[in-house]
Amino acid sequence: GQNIDQPTEMTATEGAIVQINCTYQTSGFNGLFWYQQHAGEAPTFLSYNVLDGLEEKGRFSSFLSRSKGYSYLLLKELQMKDSASYLCAVGGGYNKLIFGAGTRLAVHP
Amino acid sequence: GAVVSQHPSRVICKSGTSVKIECRSLDFQATTMFWYRQFPKQSLMLMATSNEGSKATYEQGVEKDKFLINHASLTLSTLTVTSAHPEDSSFYICSVPHGVSGNTIYFGEGSWLTVV
Repeated sequence: GQNIDQPTEMTATEGAIVQINCTYQTSGFNGLFWYQQHAGEAPTFLSYNVLDGLEEKGRFSSFLSRSKGYSYLLLKELQMKDSASYLCAVGGGYNKLIFGAGTRLAVHP
Repeated sequence: GAVVSQHPSRVICKSGTSVKIECRSLDFQATTMFWYRQFPKQSLMLMATSNEGSKATYEQGVEKDKFLINHASLTLSTLTVTSAHPEDSSFYICSVPHGVSGNTIYFGEGSWLTVV
């Protein structure tokens, strides 16, 4: 079966750092994606990991451990506009994406 | 600019009628497209895989006779919600893989369907 877990909600303070965790158990694996989604809009691509380790891209970093079925998204220097849902997704066969339930992040002043 | 276009962005239809949503890849061809549905405050749930030249593959629990998918060409897939009911009101969105690496996946803008 497919199982992707991430926290439902998180809160953080502007300027701080937040880590959003994702664990997965899937029948196939073709990479781990992170997307940002604001309410009512399409998801926006943030990162892709297919090998173990950390990928850094500006204020956003993503980590993957395939042996542990674990990933996290790290957001630094939080801004108010970072308030959104963050979706962890596992790439399956034929470029199919299986999404976790998403983590709603609220950034406070 | 957008590489995947989805239309309409918002549609209101009466209960019992059908509504068609289009997903187009711009400037590239796609033999496979995916359709997702998202209810408020929930994540994207994969409904089906649209395959050019063959039947769509539906996920478990998705009624193929209610959600008709036609991959009309290498740049167009359509999702038709037939005999719509208020509980079908949702955000529908398509995704289109590009290239062979597996990590380039474009999303359409999404379509808000409200059934009254």
